[in-house]
Amino acid sequence: GAGVSQSPRYKVAKRGQDVALRCDPISGHVSLFWYQQALGQGPEFLTYFQNEAQLDKSGLPSDRFFAERPEGSVSTLKIQRTQQEDSAVYLCASSLDPGLLAKNIQYFGAGTRLSVL
Amino acid sequence: RKEVEQDPGPFNVPEGATVAFNCTYSNSASQSFFWYRQDCRKEPKLLMSVYSSGNEDGRFTAQLNRASQYISLLIRDSKLSDSATYLCVVNAKAAGNKLTFGGGTRVLVKP
Repeated sequence: GAGVSQSPRYKVAKRGQDVALRCDPISGHVSLFWYQQALGQGPEFLTYFQNEAQLDKSGLPSDRFFAERPEGSVSTLKIQRTQQEDSAVYLCASSLDPGLLAKNIQYFGAGTRLSVL
Repeated sequence: RKEVEQDPGPFNVPEGATVAFNCTYSNSASQSFFWYRQDCRKEPKLLMSVYSSGNEDGRFTAQLNRASQYISLLIRDSKLSDSATYLCVVNAKAAGNKLTFGGGTRVLVKP
């Protein structure tokens, strides 16, 4: 596709359920990022992949959050035993080259809006 | 204290007027700076990068003040379509390619 695709767009989960959010980056993009955006806040970094390698997971809020990108393209963010505080928009972004940041624009998907009841 | 801080607004701007707002950052090692625009319930999109000497893109002008650790965005001749949230974004070399976002400044342009 032309842009970053995320699915589902909306997800309602009961507290304690596990959820899986999918991100399909722009074809050929090496870097992939996950961000969490709470209502009225800016996005906050969760984790970063360069191809299939997860190079930074410092933003994952707890061990209930897990991300993978096994073949270096599609990525899945999994949240186990969801809690109400996990309710947010989860944004995925990809960029072409992990080289010079100034030339390495991050393109965002439309996000998955997760509501935990 | 947040690493990147912005006035949340809203800035109510008459159509055709000029509006300017700042963002401050706390990490003196920050090396790359951006303004992203986010429309309601949409994804953030890059508006412009911010260079040390300041730069302009049409009606938008961005400035960087490293000594005081702030960046600014000025919008001239505001259009109704400029209504959005403007996110200040910073990257520090030690952070790799991770971007740190401010909370956003909401701008409402009214006829």
